[in-house]
Amino acid sequence: DAMVIQNPRYQVTQFGKPVTLSCSQTLNHNVMYWYQQKSSQAPKLLFHYYDKDFNNEADTPDNFQSRRPNTSFCFLDIRSPGLGDAAMYLCATSKRLATSTDTQYFGPGTRLTVL
Amino acid sequence: GDSVTQMEGPVTLSEEAFLTINCTYTATGYPSLFWYVQYPGEGLQLLLKATKADDKGSNKGFEATYRKETTSFHLEKGSVQVSDSAVYFCALRGDTGNQFYFGTGTSLTVIP
Repeated sequence: DAMVIQNPRYQVTQFGKPVTLSCSQTLNHNVMYWYQQKSSQAPKLLFHYYDKDFNNEADTPDNFQSRRPNTSFCFLDIRSPGLGDAAMYLCATSKRLATSTDTQYFGPGTRLTVL
Repeated sequence: GDSVTQMEGPVTLSEEAFLTINCTYTATGYPSLFWYVQYPGEGLQLLLKATKADDKGSNKGFEATYRKETTSFHLEKGSVQVSDSAVYFCALRGDTGNQFYFGTGTSLTVIP
């Protein structure tokens, strides 16, 4: 089945220790998104890629970076995680950009714990 | 700007009860509207969607009708089951399509 895969499902890191979260997709979608979801809150968009074009949300901290080496993979790098970065991180894809009818397909998420 | 206002929870219902979760939106142009469901510890799954006024999205017994006159997209199910216990998010994707605007989520617990 075509899908969005996130690894690992659970990640524990130490305060200040860089961590990378992984997302892959078999949908061959052009757009990949990263969201941060804190407990009992709505997902918050961090950034997205349209093909290789990177688009950062204005309020995304510099601590968060992303890489998309090819269509299938996208990585979220947190350079120096703080306690406030503990959250569920959701990857999503959509076929096109700027098309309101397109659905976003979400991965299962990676729950990040910062000790 | 575009936004979604969703009924606050938590909601607790008995099995086979009728469910309504209210969602209203603010948007210019012609947005698409979505309901996503999130089970404990998991990511979001698309439940249903509607892309134009008067469209009805339906899936797994859930329905929502895109009402432009009332700017609403309320989620309904005639008879809930324990397995429907989850958090439900209403979402909007505007004409520019770059971002989804999510409601704050409504937690539903169905008790036997």
